[in-house]
Amino acid sequence: SSELTQDPAVSVALGQTVRITCQGDSLRSYFEGWYQQRPGQAPALVISGINHRPSGIPDRFSGSSSGNTASLTITGAQAEDEAEYYCSSRDSSGNLFWVFGGGTKLTVL
Amino acid sequence: QVQLQESGPGLVKSSKTLSLTCSVSGGSISNYYWNWIRQSPGKGLEWIGYIYPSGTTNYNPSLNNRVTISLDTSTNQVSLKLTSVTATDTAVYYCARQDTYCAGSGCFDMFDYWGQGTLVTVSS
Repeated sequence: SSELTQDPAVSVALGQTVRITCQGDSLRSYFEGWYQQRPGQAPALVISGINHRPSGIPDRFSGSSSGNTASLTITGAQAEDEAEYYCSSRDSSGNLFWVFGGGTKLTVL
Repeated sequence: QVQLQESGPGLVKSSKTLSLTCSVSGGSISNYYWNWIRQSPGKGLEWIGYIYPSGTTNYNPSLNNRVTISLDTSTNQVSLKLTSVTATDTAVYYCARQDTYCAGSGCFDMFDYWGQGTLVTVSS
């Protein structure tokens, strides 16, 4: 099995930089990406893999990974970035089950 | 533009079977994995399982063999059945397309299209 740990809540001043982290043993082998979920909406992919931005995602979003920790960085946070962010990976048992982090609520002040 | 639309009963009685359908438009369901993911009220995301058009399936073991996912390529629909439901199965259920992105650092899977979700409430 696998667990992905995220801080429940993070805040950032408008225009500043914020890093959201995701920790888990499975991240040493797998990391699939980050999803943004605004209230009342379905999740949306913001980073695929470690650091690939899908078309339409602003370049203020970037990702990185080291060891058992993956990070999502928003450089110059905007009001519309206020949302829940989830990391995703695979179970490290080899069965390729998907797992998600518990989510981080980002507040833009 | 690919669009996914979940449909099915919004209320299911405890111990019965939850049945949902995901209708895919704007693209074929061939060559992709199709997933169901749910989110209990105020909680995080939980992966339920996936199916590939070949019939390959993979389910979350935490659901104790209560899940069946199927698909119909002739109608471009993906279906979910969850048996013996309880109140803990109350959630918004999403279908999502899984695609793969490959770069120099490797290949990564992603959920690139999602339905808007449908709330299913389990009542006693």
